[in-house]
Amino acid sequence: GAVVSQHPSWVICKSGTSVKIECRSLDFQATTMFWYRQFPKQSLMLMATSNEGSKATYEQGVEKDKFLINHASLTLSTLTVTSAHPEDSSFYICSAWYENTQYFGPGTRLTVL
Amino acid sequence: AQRVTQPEKLLSVFKGAPVELKCNYSYSGSPELFWYVQYSRQRLQLLLRHISRESIKGFTADLNKGETSFHLKKPFAQEEDSAMYYCALRGSSGNTPLVFGKGTRLSVIA
Repeated sequence: GAVVSQHPSWVICKSGTSVKIECRSLDFQATTMFWYRQFPKQSLMLMATSNEGSKATYEQGVEKDKFLINHASLTLSTLTVTSAHPEDSSFYICSAWYENTQYFGPGTRLTVL
Repeated sequence: AQRVTQPEKLLSVFKGAPVELKCNYSYSGSPELFWYVQYSRQRLQLLLRHISRESIKGFTADLNKGETSFHLKKPFAQEEDSAMYYCALRGSSGNTPLVFGKGTRLSVIA
């Protein structure tokens, strides 16, 4: 099957700083990737759809200026959490479709102090 | 609107007992339904999808359009089945996101 990777797997940052999370499709190309947020023991909440070469589509209630998404190539999408605050602490997961299956990255745990 | 409902947050069964994880959906057209599983400290992975009509790790799920359900079943639970199970829906083909239910944590007791 296809593999989606994320980097870093865990990041701790100070309040007010920005953090970039990378999502890569390792053995396939993905024109579209998805970013989810998962709170402890809760389901995945779709944040945005990342489109290669164009603007991301954000879900209602997700701040575009807070969560910057860039999909510069067919294998890489990045999520930048700008001016992070403790309430942004969460588990961020990306995914992409390949042959009718959505493959998920291992997730990135963000802790904002 | 698309919606997936998993009514049970937690389901505990004894090893060897049958398991049924419930999933109901709301969608006006013909959706694709999936079951994903997340084992402890692992990424979400596909368990099965309705169009394949396959059995994975002894699990099966049948799409019932009349009842708008896609319940996951296994006749004999094993300890290694303990995990978080998510039912998900894709409303149209192509690069559209999955809509997830809230998930059911299955705990198989030895």
